[in-house]
Amino acid sequence: GAVVSQHPSRVICKSGTSVKIECRSLDFQATTMFWYRQFPKKSLMLMATSNEGSKATYEQGVEKDKFLINHASLTLSTLTVTSAHPEDSSFYICSARPQDRVGGNEQFFGPGTRLTVL
Amino acid sequence: AQSVTQPDIHITVSEGASLELRCNYSYGATPYLFWYVQSPGQGLQLLLKYFSGDTLVQGIKGFEAEFKRSQSSFNLRKPSVHWSDAAEYFCAVGSYNNNDMRFGAGTRLTVKP
Repeated sequence: GAVVSQHPSRVICKSGTSVKIECRSLDFQATTMFWYRQFPKKSLMLMATSNEGSKATYEQGVEKDKFLINHASLTLSTLTVTSAHPEDSSFYICSARPQDRVGGNEQFFGPGTRLTVL
Repeated sequence: AQSVTQPDIHITVSEGASLELRCNYSYGATPYLFWYVQSPGQGLQLLLKYFSGDTLVQGIKGFEAEFKRSQSSFNLRKPSVHWSDAAEYFCAVGSYNNNDMRFGAGTRLTVKP
């Protein structure tokens, strides 16, 4: 149980285009999902926290108009990288926190999406 | 502000040898501590977690970790390393509602035959 999927696993796009990444909790409902970015050989950096039915909360320094997050249902959150540029190339990982967990909440991570912007 | 330090960027051990990966945290309240493992190009898999209770926590794949409040540490151990354990290991600290989980920089483990 507690499986999180991401789609696509890998995407290559041209500079200036927009890319949408989906994060789904397959066997549980998640009121909260998280989006992380990981640079090569680096740790994960939290970009934003996505709550179902409300606006995402972005970390300092993350452009909310650049990285659009939508959490339309309890099992789906999407990250859209708008007008992508080569510096947006990275490994994007989502995670989800089960709705019914009380305390000691843990996040279940997706397999990640490798974005390459040419 | 909470933070996590993993002092060792890269560790190499021989297969069959014991392993200890260090993790120190800074957190103002009761920490919730996690160890994750990441294989190349993959997401994170939870090895173990500590919320309360017994300070020695058992995880998957034969890993264990010990929470030492006096030292602000949560070191990961394994008595005998297998070649398949080669990966990147991340220590993380979060709060009760875990909206603010922070990761250490990671330790890359190489296993020699």
